[in-house]
Amino acid sequence: DGGITQSPKYLFRKEGQNVTLSCEQNLNHDAMYWYRQDPGQGLRLIYYSQIVNDFQKGDIAEGYSVSREKKESFPLTVTSAQKNPTAFYLCASSIDGVGNTIYFGEGSWLTVV
Amino acid sequence: GQQVMQIPQYQHVQEGEDFTTYCNSSTTLSNIQWYKQRPGGHPVFLIQLVKSGEVKKQKRLTFQFGEAKKNSSLHITATQTTDVGTYFCAVSNSGYALNFGKGTSLLVTP
Repeated sequence: DGGITQSPKYLFRKEGQNVTLSCEQNLNHDAMYWYRQDPGQGLRLIYYSQIVNDFQKGDIAEGYSVSREKKESFPLTVTSAQKNPTAFYLCASSIDGVGNTIYFGEGSWLTVV
Repeated sequence: GQQVMQIPQYQHVQEGEDFTTYCNSSTTLSNIQWYKQRPGGHPVFLIQLVKSGEVKKQKRLTFQFGEAKKNSSLHITATQTTDVGTYFCAVSNSGYALNFGKGTSLLVTP
């Protein structure tokens, strides 16, 4: 099936630990994104990448890091520097980065205790 | 990036009543998109509006783009329980990524 696969769906980590969320797409899309969703806050952009080996900070990039070594993959690392990491994380992709329709994965729930 | 204000934040209706959510910007938009997120799910694209004054319909859903391209609305006629979810508008951030409104959460009571 074509689409965006995020893993794991649920993740628990202790405070102070880094954690990496996986995102893979087989849609042959150039652009990929990471959004964070908190209750009542809508979707906030963490990082986006328009092309392999290039990525840009979004509105809330502090405490996060990404890589884009392959077109299909855009992993997100939540570092210990992120003060409030517990949230729902959504990966998405689009054909290109020029404001086109984006398609979301099913999301990853991260709980830090 | 471009910011959009979405109102109301919550709406609770009886099944069969109509529902409208509004999205407003202080700047002129090139286009606007609407997404729906069911409880526990991920956002799914509904529609994109590009032209000034554009109106598009999808069954009971009517989408409008303002004449000045600074606002948009989503209207649902005769809501059903399947309409439950959060509706987001989204606008392009300098053409590279979408900025989402905070969403309107719709609850429909049978």
